[in-house]
Amino acid sequence: GAVVSQHPSRVICKSGTSVKIECRSLDFQATTMFWYRQFPKQSLMLMATSNEGSKATYEQGVEKDKFLINHASLTLSTLTVTSAHPEDSSFYICSARGADSAEAFFGQGTRLTVV
Amino acid sequence: EDQVTQSPEALRLQEGESSSLNCSYTVSGLRGLFWYRQDPGKGPEFLFTLYSAGEEKEKERLKATLTKKESFLHITAPKPEDSATYLCAVQVFWWNNAGNMLTFGGGTRLMVKP
Repeated sequence: GAVVSQHPSRVICKSGTSVKIECRSLDFQATTMFWYRQFPKQSLMLMATSNEGSKATYEQGVEKDKFLINHASLTLSTLTVTSAHPEDSSFYICSARGADSAEAFFGQGTRLTVV
Repeated sequence: EDQVTQSPEALRLQEGESSSLNCSYTVSGLRGLFWYRQDPGKGPEFLFTLYSAGEEKEKERLKATLTKKESFLHITAPKPEDSATYLCAVQVFWWNNAGNMLTFGGGTRLMVKP
């Protein structure tokens, strides 16, 4: 399968600071990228969908001013958690899909801890 | 509203004890059904895509099947290294194909004891 690299795998930050998570498709062009959040022992919750070069589409209840998504190229999307609070602590996962492809491939995930 | 339900939530097996995981779905128009494996602290790993009822796919000890209402992931003679959470997800047809996001089930946590 295709390779999606997510970085960092773990990050600890102080309340009020911002954190950027990167998601890269290494061997294919990702026309669509998805960002998920996962709580312990729960399934993936879609936060937003982004298509290269256009604004992300956020799911209901997800604050777009808090979770900034940029998909500036066909191989890179970033999620920035702004003014992080302890309740933002979670496991964030990106996935990427190429044009005309049904399969989406996932990154390794980022464990964010806000202290 | 599209819904995906996986059962059981958790499954304990002895090594070599074959079993099946279920994924029931209710969607407006199925484009594809996907199975993923997720290990703790990792992102989901792609296993299979199924597109139409009657389709089957196999990979090592795993076989995925699809009907119009559900999919099964059959595990034959499992080993401890098969322990993981197995997720199924559905993708539906969109008018513009721009989204086509996946709707995930809750997952089945599989534990295989030696």
